[in-house]
Amino acid sequence: NAGVTQTPKFRVLKTGQSMTLLCAQDMNHEYMYWYRQDPGMGLRLIHYSVGEGTTAKGEVPDGYNVSRLKKQNFLLGLESAAPSQTSVYFCASRRDNLAKNIQYFGAGTRLSVL
Amino acid sequence: RKEVEQDPGPFNVPEGATVAFNCTYSNSASQSFFWYRQDCRKEPKLLMSVYSSGNEDGRFTAQLNRASQYISLLIRDSKLSDSATYLCTVNSGGSNYKLTFGKGTLLTVNP
Repeated sequence: NAGVTQTPKFRVLKTGQSMTLLCAQDMNHEYMYWYRQDPGMGLRLIHYSVGEGTTAKGEVPDGYNVSRLKKQNFLLGLESAAPSQTSVYFCASRRDNLAKNIQYFGAGTRLSVL
Repeated sequence: RKEVEQDPGPFNVPEGATVAFNCTYSNSASQSFFWYRQDCRKEPKLLMSVYSSGNEDGRFTAQLNRASQYISLLIRDSKLSDSATYLCTVNSGGSNYKLTFGKGTLLTVNP
């Protein structure tokens, strides 16, 4: 059981380039999330989805877009990468909104924008 | 007031020590509480949920004080393998669709 899988694991971009980060979960979870983690800032929510075909903005959505065309996949796009987007990106999923249900995280994507 | 605030740390303790982490949250409507553990350069993983009556899992004890909006984690008989960052986590905005994480407290257990 793979759980939450993120691809790629590492990426280096030049300023202005675009890329898509893929998150896939095989637990049939309804909720999916994208976070970024920076030193001293903790985990910050970028976008999230409460079901197939839905997306919503989190705490720091600017410069990112997302899509959830299939329940198992949640894509994070950077249309024009900036050095400020250098970070570690984590995807997470959660079964539903019951209070007791926890979030499971992917292994992360380390992105550097030069 | 930030939504979730933790002890800034870092904590450096010898093996066998008892260490406690504290966390406060601002939204009184929050319903779910967790402690996550994050190893260096790894993803966060659930350590334990926090229940109203308090709960224990081996050497780990979690407490919740709703009146004071306070959560704690106690680690007894610290092991080298306990070295990690501990993240206090609550659901946010009075709903259950997303969790808010504290910035984390770094623990280093020394031999």
